Amino acid sequence: DTGVSQNPRHKITKRGQNVTFRCDPISEHNRLYWYRQTLGQGPEFLTYFQNEAQLEKSRLLSDRFSAERPKGSFSTLEIQRTEQGDSAMYLCASSLSYRGKETQYFGPGTRLLVL
Amino acid sequence: SQQGEEDPQALSIQEGENATMNCSYKTSINNLQWYRQNSGRGLVHLILIRSNEREKHSGRLRVTLDTSKKSSSLLITASRAADTASYFCATEYNFNKFYFGSGTKLNVKP
Repeated sequence: DTGVSQNPRHKITKRGQNVTFRCDPISEHNRLYWYRQTLGQGPEFLTYFQNEAQLEKSRLLSDRFSAERPKGSFSTLEIQRTEQGDSAMYLCASSLSYRGKETQYFGPGTRLLVL
Repeated sequence: SQQGEEDPQALSIQEGENATMNCSYKTSINNLQWYRQNSGRGLVHLILIRSNEREKHSGRLRVTLDTSKKSSSLLITASRAADTASYFCATEYNFNKFYFGSGTKLNVKP
């Protein structure tokens, strides 16, 4: 257990539905990242927050995806009008940047299946 | 793509043997990290090596970095069945952006 939690752990939804995932990072960590991972691949960067500010978004993050981190604590990732291609594991990681060294601590992930 | 790429894609060894996996990347990096992922779970950080370092050790792990060749290797000595997992290298460049390769799937047979 890294101290990063994600809910739900599994989500099955029908195409066209909206889904929301939550990530609770390690409390003193100021950075929070979202990744997507498909079978047999490494995690792909989606977006990251420094405190409550969303500083970067990947081109992978279409307009149907939105992420928030109100008050710089937990974060939510919402996918609107889900498509079958959104089926993947969604990973959250948090980190504390210190003197140019940054170790990311990953949560267990939310596995999404879009039918 | 700036992604690191691991080699080999899959590796099967006997318990007690050493396992070596490699990572190559394309652009200058700030640091390189190795992660382990057990089946269907989140990633666990193993070791970080900075761009000005050449070698680091942590327990049975040894990581080398050759910035001239843009490559890194992870050596696991005296492997155990519990080391069975996928191993990923993650390169950090341009600060705060991390790119993961597609991983090496290691199977350690008891």
